[in-house]
Amino acid sequence: DTEVTQTPKHLVMGMTNKKSLKCEQHMGHRAMYWYKQKAKKPPELMFVYSYEKLSINESVPSRFSPECPNSSLLNLHLHALQPEDSALYLCASSPFTGPYEQYFGPGTRLTVT
Amino acid sequence: KNEVEQSPQNLTAQEGEFITINCSYSVGISALHWLQQHPGGGIVSLFMLSSGKKKHGRLIATINIQEKHSSLHITASHPRDSAVYICAAFSNYQLIWGAGTKLIIKP
Repeated sequence: DTEVTQTPKHLVMGMTNKKSLKCEQHMGHRAMYWYKQKAKKPPELMFVYSYEKLSINESVPSRFSPECPNSSLLNLHLHALQPEDSALYLCASSPFTGPYEQYFGPGTRLTVT
Repeated sequence: KNEVEQSPQNLTAQEGEFITINCSYSVGISALHWLQQHPGGGIVSLFMLSSGKKKHGRLIATINIQEKHSSLHITASHPRDSAVYICAAFSNYQLIWGAGTKLIIKP
């Protein structure tokens, strides 16, 4: 199984809502990533988890809160987002951090109203 | 100047043509990743290479470490190859992304 799954596919939320994005992989990968992608731009790294511990936080605002409950699951909790946070949120995994092939999920298209 | 640059930005070709997309980088890297993104979002890993050449079906990727350059070739292109192709360099354990090449293959 070389699949990374993400739910939901689409999410519309108001600026006062709290929602969560979910990512799952069953490849035994020990590194998991959250990326944010705006239209016609490459993905921007947000967070990296290595062995279920947060190893990189790319100065992401605190309204984004990642969580890695176990080695297969990665969540991104969203609270008090701004319209400019509307984007495609991509999850990826790789065997370890570093120069290993990353496998991406299909993404969650988030719209903040 | 971006650390990873791709050319061309946009490429339109006829079905069957041989396609080349180029990627140049200015930083030291441990490997280079080629990825494909279709409209709608999903990103698919095509190759990861640190030297030489790799082939998968109609896709070929090459890298020249001395010249800091990589190419992605598509032979016998098909409309289903239409997508954005992105190269990303592993440097200091993080990916540095190129801006992508939008490829359209016309039937």
